[in-house]
Amino acid sequence: QVQLVQSGAEVKKPGSSVRVSCKASGGTFSNYAIGWVRQAPGQGLEWMGTITPIFNKANYAQKFQGRVTVIADESTGTAYMELSSLRSEDTAVFYCARGRDTSMALFEHWGQGTLVTVSS
Amino acid sequence: SYVLTQPPSVSVAPGQTARISCGGNNIGDKPVHWYQQKPGQAPVVVVYDDSDRPSGIPERFSGSNSGNTATLTISRVEAGDEADYYCQVWIHYSDHPIFGGGTKLTVL
Repeated sequence: QVQLVQSGAEVKKPGSSVRVSCKASGGTFSNYAIGWVRQAPGQGLEWMGTITPIFNKANYAQKFQGRVTVIADESTGTAYMELSSLRSEDTAVFYCARGRDTSMALFEHWGQGTLVTVSS
Repeated sequence: SYVLTQPPSVSVAPGQTARISCGGNNIGDKPVHWYQQKPGQAPVVVVYDDSDRPSGIPERFSGSNSGNTATLTISRVEAGDEADYYCQVWIHYSDHPIFGGGTKLTVL
């Protein structure tokens, strides 16, 4: 069965960066897109970006363009999301999810979420 | 940019039918997926490709999509169905997924 395990909670200062990992098991890692979603407290789901390992191609939401980087390490089956220039509004739970194919048309399997708190 | 519009909240008594709408321009031309999210948990797919159900999702959950509105229908609502529900589509030409704003289902 597919499982996505994310790294633990983080507390960061404004202006710093955070990197969240997402280790996938079950299925061939390279063949599926991995997407990242932000959920601020009490708010909805917001897609940030996607990486497709087999194509080594990343795609970002315009809102986060320039601040977010998503990469995939095929040797370990782990995807990473790095968000820079953190501000208080970035306090949120960040989820990774696996697509059902090389696109993020469907967020088929989800990680458990990683809480990032931005505070001075 | 493409926008999906959901009602902020829907309330229904146990045993009744809940219908949650998702509006978008010609949304009937796109496959729509629905996610259930309970407090403190990650979202879970309850309906995909307009009307298909993943294994393990009760038959009480169904979906439809036509024109400018997609609908998630939950029959014989139970207390355990209380959650936030999100619709989602994929914009093919930009390879961008879009989520609706979410609907809080309250079971009275």
